[in-house]
This record gives sequence, structure tokens and C-alpha cells, in this order.
Amino acid sequence: NAGVTQTPKFQVLKTGQSMTLQCAQDMNHEYMSWYRQDPGMGLRLIHYSVGAGITDQGEVPNGYNVSRSTTEDFPLRLLSAAPSQTSVYFCASSRAGSSTGELFFGEGSRLTVL
Amino acid sequence: GDSVTQMEGPVTLSEEAFLTINCTYTATGYPSLFWYVQYPGEGLQLLLKATKADDKGSNKGFEATYRKETTSFHLEKGSVQVSDSAVYFCALKSPGSSASKIIFGSGTRLSIRP
Repeated sequence: NAGVTQTPKFQVLKTGQSMTLQCAQDMNHEYMSWYRQDPGMGLRLIHYSVGAGITDQGEVPNGYNVSRSTTEDFPLRLLSAAPSQTSVYFCASSRAGSSTGELFFGEGSRLTVL
Repeated sequence: GDSVTQMEGPVTLSEEAFLTINCTYTATGYPSLFWYVQYPGEGLQLLLKATKADDKGSNKGFEATYRKETTSFHLEKGSVQVSDSAVYFCALKSPGSSASKIIFGSGTRLSIRP
């Protein structure tokens, strides 16, 4: 069972470089989200999607873009990386209409911006 | 806005000790409440949940009771094991919001000594 798959697991960038964090889920979940995890701040929501073609901003969207062309994939793009974007990024998915609201997480992508 | 506050860590206990991790929340209405656990090197996974006042969630020996009067959802375990060493996150989902917008606390790191 693959669940939620994130790539790459580790990445080092220089300031100003761009990159895309990939996220794919094979559970046919309608909802997908990106969070960043920073020490002492828990998880903060970056962007989320409630279905293909629909995305919206979370708590900390600046510097990030997303798109949702298929149900399975939800890539996160950093257009011009900054040191403040050094973090661990988690992709999550969930089923629409779920009474529990349970999120299923990937293993995370650790990004360092120099 | 809605928020979750949990006790700061790290928390270090000896094996078989009693565990309490405090969590309080601010939200309008009756949110759903969750505890997620993150084991080293992994993504978060749901530990337990409660969806209405006075509900008790339980799993793997952990328990938490939804207390509306004190806006709390404290996590407890009667006898911890070394394998319980992890980071624990309290979280909420506001009524009417999608599962894409779950709000997390800052996390509490738990270490258990043999």
C-alpha cells in the first residue's frame, strides 16, 4: 500500500533557485494539503485542494504555488527559494465527507535553502 | 481564529510511568479533536479522535476525553513504553470546514527511558 508518496525526501537549494516537491496519493482522496513543520511551531497549512482544478491558500502561502490537475497529484512549487523556506514539508490527503476528518501523511521532504 | 495550545516539551519519563500531555483549544462551536503521533523519520498518523463533547477517544493504551467546559483534550497513558517515544500533536477541525484545514498544535516530544 503506497498511500501518500512524497519526493524528494531531501533537497538542498541555493537562494533564488526553484524546485517542485512532488506528492501523489493512490487512495482516490478528494482532499490534499501541504504543511510545513518548523521547530516549536508545529504544522502550518500552506495550500490545500478539495478536488481536481480547485486550490486555495492556507495559513502561510507566500512563496509557494500549487496546482491540482489530477486527483492523484498535488505538487508544491517554490519559485525563488529563500532561507526562510528551510523546513520539513508534509503532504496529506483525506476523503471528502469523512466524519473523522482523518489526514493521511507522506513521510516528509526535508528542504534546506542556503 | 481557531487555535490549539499544547504543553511544551520535551517530556522525558521512565518506562511504565504515567503520561499526561495537556491540550487546550479555541474554536467556535463544536470542533472535532485529534491526537496525531509522529515516530522518528515518519509522517504523522492519527492516534485517536473525538467528535463531540464528553466523547473519549482511545487507541494503543492512550486515551483523551473531549471536555467542552474546559476546552481541553488531554492525552493520557497509564504505563508508557520505550516504543511510545515520538512527537505528539493535538489538532482540531472546525465544524463545517474541510478535512484539508485541520489546525495543529506545536507538538510535544516524548522520550521514554528504559
